[in-house]
Amino acid sequence: DTEVTQTPKHLVMGMTNKKSLKCEQHMGHRAMYWYKQKAKKPPELMFVYSYEKLSINESVPSRFSPECPNSSLLNLHLHALQPEDSALYLCASSQGPLAGNEQFFGPGTRLTVL
Amino acid sequence: GNSVTQMEGPVTLSEEAFLTINCTYTATGYPSLFWYVQYPGEGLQLLLKATKADDKGSNKGFEATYRKETTSFHLEKGSVQVSDSAVYFCALILNTGFQKLVFGTGTRLLVSP
Repeated sequence: DTEVTQTPKHLVMGMTNKKSLKCEQHMGHRAMYWYKQKAKKPPELMFVYSYEKLSINESVPSRFSPECPNSSLLNLHLHALQPEDSALYLCASSQGPLAGNEQFFGPGTRLTVL
Repeated sequence: GNSVTQMEGPVTLSEEAFLTINCTYTATGYPSLFWYVQYPGEGLQLLLKATKADDKGSNKGFEATYRKETTSFHLEKGSVQVSDSAVYFCALILNTGFQKLVFGTGTRLLVSP
């Protein structure tokens, strides 16, 4: 299995809602990533988990809360988002956290905040 | 700092035309270089990569050569198809420390029949 899966595919939420995005991989990868991609822009790194520990937080607002319950799963908990947070959220994984390992991307969750 | 510069799009070609998408980089260390492709409504797929100078990455008829002397990694294909229409991202990772992909702005390719 060489796939990264993400659910849901689409999500619409209000500014007072709490929701979660899920990402799963069964490639035995020990590094997982969250990216945010606005329309017609490249992906921007948000978080990196290495061996289930948060390694990098790119100064992301606290209304985004990542969680890595085990080596195959990565969640992104959302609370009190703003309309400008509407974007495609991409999950990726790699064999290890260090350079030289390819990152495999999921199809993304398209989030709309009303 | 580390950055990637790509040619502005869209690039509009007829089917079977030759494709070049330019990519140059600046890096404080010695990077690995990648081309990712994003089809409409989808995530990113790794198209090809090169990890050291003069390496040539190739996949699905696409090629790119890591040129350290010109800090470039231009993407080429001899004969494009309508199905190649997508956004192409050039990216780098430094070969030290934690992985942080640095992307270019992306180049949209439109291929007409």
